[in-house]
Amino acid sequence: AQSVTQLDSHVSVSEGTPVLLRCNYSSSYSPSLFWYVQHPNKGLQLLLKYTSAATLVKGINGFEAEFKKSETSFHLTKPSAHMSDAAEYFCVVSDHTGGYQKVTFGTGTKLQVIP
Amino acid sequence: DTGVSQDPRHKITKRGQNVTFRCDPISEHNRLYWYRQTLGQGPEFLTYFQNEAQLEKSRLLSDRFSAERPKGSFSTLEIQRTEQGDSAMYLCASSLVEGVVYTFGSGTRLTVV
Repeated sequence: AQSVTQLDSHVSVSEGTPVLLRCNYSSSYSPSLFWYVQHPNKGLQLLLKYTSAATLVKGINGFEAEFKKSETSFHLTKPSAHMSDAAEYFCVVSDHTGGYQKVTFGTGTKLQVIP
Repeated sequence: DTGVSQDPRHKITKRGQNVTFRCDPISEHNRLYWYRQTLGQGPEFLTYFQNEAQLEKSRLLSDRFSAERPKGSFSTLEIQRTEQGDSAMYLCASSLVEGVVYTFGSGTRLTVV
């Protein structure tokens, strides 16, 4: 079965402090994992992706995520938050369930950055 | 090509009316997806096309919903006899290779009053 759980619906950090957005997944197949960001009234933008290459993935805007198979996790981190990082972040899992590509989005984590 | 385009950006309709949304994917992308996103939720899969063939439909896609991609380029999503529960953001995405990156449009926000 395929599922993705974002453990925090809201995260609040001060500007300049580290960001950690947590994601756990379940997949019966070798999954691909993604993080997308959605700013208010905007479309979803890809931050980074894991597709069975290096387990530490670097994305845009200083974000990175580490694929940990033993923990079935794909947490998103950034060393220093910027005001422009305030948005909603979605963890996504993709695999081939039943012969079809299946993609599941998490319920999202809203990141608030405090000046 | 500037990405995935969706039209209209916003649509307000009265309950019971029919609405149609359009998505223009990135021109060389052969896969096109429709998702629905309600407030506080992540996008939920509705259906996808490979070229003009509709390969999968979610249980969320009731009989009132129909999607087409007649020439394997743009796609339309029609909702007949709209209900208040249809109010949501309808997102379109396209991709070149399955399992890899989706490029999303900005969505069509539907409000049924």
